[in-house]
Amino acid sequence: ELKVEQNPLFLSMQEGKNYTIYCNYSTTSDRLYWYRQDPGKSLESLFVLLSNGAVKQEGRLMASLDTKARLSTLHITAAVHDLSATYFCAVEWGSGGGADGLTFGKGTHLIIQP
Amino acid sequence: DAGVTQSPTHLIKTRGQQVTLRCSPKSGHDTVSWYQQALGQGPQFIFQYYEEEERQRGNFPDRFSGHQFPNYSSELNVNALLLGDSALYLCASSPLMMSTGELFFGEGSRLTVL
Repeated sequence: ELKVEQNPLFLSMQEGKNYTIYCNYSTTSDRLYWYRQDPGKSLESLFVLLSNGAVKQEGRLMASLDTKARLSTLHITAAVHDLSATYFCAVEWGSGGGADGLTFGKGTHLIIQP
Repeated sequence: DAGVTQSPTHLIKTRGQQVTLRCSPKSGHDTVSWYQQALGQGPQFIFQYYEEEERQRGNFPDRFSGHQFPNYSSELNVNALLLGDSALYLCASSPLMMSTGELFFGEGSRLTVL
């Protein structure tokens, strides 16, 4: 059974600081996704990582994937209040090559204080 | 371009009742997946439909069933509701072929079982 663990689960940080969220998973997979969820809202796709060594950046967020270590990181640079949300990583299981089911982590609840 | 739409947005049922949730995928998408998100948790995969057939299924009992129509829209049915079925039910769509696996989520249907 594929397990996905995120840490930390809760994070309170100040604006302007840097921090990293970690996502570990238990079985081999080459596809990892990061989503953002605002309170009471649906999930918004942030990054799609499809191979070992993949790195994607969008604004103050950067995601990377190390499939050998079964680890992905989401790095926040110079945090701003608007980035406050819950961040989920998700790993694809199944045969791959298409839209297979995803296993999500429990999420990291991020609060960025002015 | 309309995204993924779900209905109803909120509903309240009592134990033992049955519920039907509906989803229209994003234009151009032919695959629909359903996820259950309990409060404070990550989404859990229920099942996925493609070409009107259940393609994959997560660890959910047979009380959870679904259907996909020729226009790719989908329904999720839950019979004999339990208190533990209270959750946000998310529909996600994607194109199966040439897919990165990225899912596009609707706003969800929040089900409360009393």
